[in-house]
Amino acid sequence: GIQVEQSPPDLILQEGANSTLRCNFSDSVNNLQWFHQNPWGQLINLFYIPSGTKQNGRLSATTVATERYSLLYISSSQTTDSGVYFCAVETQGGSEKLVFGKGTKLTVNP
Amino acid sequence: ETGVTQSPTHLIKTRGQQVTLRCSSQSGHNTVSWYQQALGQGPQFIFQYYREEENGRGNFPPRFSGLQFPNYSSELNVNALELDDSALYLCASSVGLAGRSYEQYFGPGTRLTVT
Repeated sequence: GIQVEQSPPDLILQEGANSTLRCNFSDSVNNLQWFHQNPWGQLINLFYIPSGTKQNGRLSATTVATERYSLLYISSSQTTDSGVYFCAVETQGGSEKLVFGKGTKLTVNP
Repeated sequence: ETGVTQSPTHLIKTRGQQVTLRCSSQSGHNTVSWYQQALGQGPQFIFQYYREEENGRGNFPPRFSGLQFPNYSSELNVNALELDDSALYLCASSVGLAGRSYEQYFGPGTRLTVT
């Protein structure tokens, strides 16, 4: 099946810093989503981005489907950005719906 | 617009018992997917239901089964519980067409503990 790799696994920032999270995938995809999981386990939708670039406030994402990677940018980070960020993909013709990476654990210190 | 809801929030069961988890999909969504998330891991796909039929299954044994109802709500049933079944169970709903689903929206999850 498809492999989804996220990097870095852990990231520690000072408030106000910028960061880039990466997601590599091993096959063509129909869907790609970025999520933020809060400490209570809720997965919050950040972006639905099978290709192209999107922006939402301090967050933006870019997916280059032909090169099989996606990037999530967080600018001017805040302590509330802390948590685990997941990338998840759905393959073309695959039976698994949304295969998740192992996540990037982000800690933003005040 | 009501989001995805799940019940119960927490559950404690004994090894060998059976459990049923419930999920109500977001208004306008016809597809429900279930995921298992062990501590420190990413969610793993269990199965998906599209218009009351199973539409894809992950690498889980047959003791994991499900249903989708005409109102698109869904149940996840797990028989003969094992200690390794302890996890957060997440339900997601989406608008689907035959063969694929679009953006998925997740409920808050049910935390199952098997002792």
